[in-house]
Amino acid sequence: IAGITQAPTSQILAAGRRMTLRCTQDMRHNAMYWYRQDLGLGLRLIHYSNTAGTTGKGEVPDGYSVSRANTDDFPLTLASAVPSQTSVYFCASRGGTHTQYFGPGTRLTVL
Amino acid sequence: GNSVTQMEGPVTLSEEAFLTINCTYTATGYPSLFWYVQYPGEGLQLLLKATKADDKGSNKGFEATYRKETTSFHLEKGSVQVSDSAVYFCALSENTGNQFYFGTGTSLTVIP
Repeated sequence: IAGITQAPTSQILAAGRRMTLRCTQDMRHNAMYWYRQDLGLGLRLIHYSNTAGTTGKGEVPDGYSVSRANTDDFPLTLASAVPSQTSVYFCASRGGTHTQYFGPGTRLTVL
Repeated sequence: GNSVTQMEGPVTLSEEAFLTINCTYTATGYPSLFWYVQYPGEGLQLLLKATKADDKGSNKGFEATYRKETTSFHLEKGSVQVSDSAVYFCALSENTGNQFYFGTGTSLTVIP
């Protein structure tokens, strides 16, 4: 069982470009999340989805969009990347007793 | 609202020393509390959790007790090892489970 996979592992992107970070889980969890991790700020929630077909905004949603066409996939899109979006991005899903399970992360650098 | 405050690091300890990382929370209702660990270059892994007051979570020699009266969930380990070097995050989940709130993380380095 792979759990949660994320792709790419890392990416360097020119400002203004569009980028989609992929996230796939094989645990059949209903709820999924996207966080960004920045030094000194911990993890901040970008968007979440409680079940396929629904999404919601987290603490820092601006500049990001998500979709949830099915249970397994939860891609995060940056429509026009800016340098302040340089960060490490983690996808997570929620299992029983509210425990969240995390992917290995995507390190994104926007120049 | 909901929030988590944990002690700032970095923390440096010698092997076999006692570890305490403080965590306090603010929450409405009755949240579940968690400690996650992040090893270099990896995602977060659940270390332990407690779902109601006075519960003690434990794993790999780490312990934390859910104290409602002091709104705390301090992480402790009696004898740390070099392999415990990582960043530790305290977190809470509101009782609906819809959102998590993380502390800013505490970096621990254990030296031989």
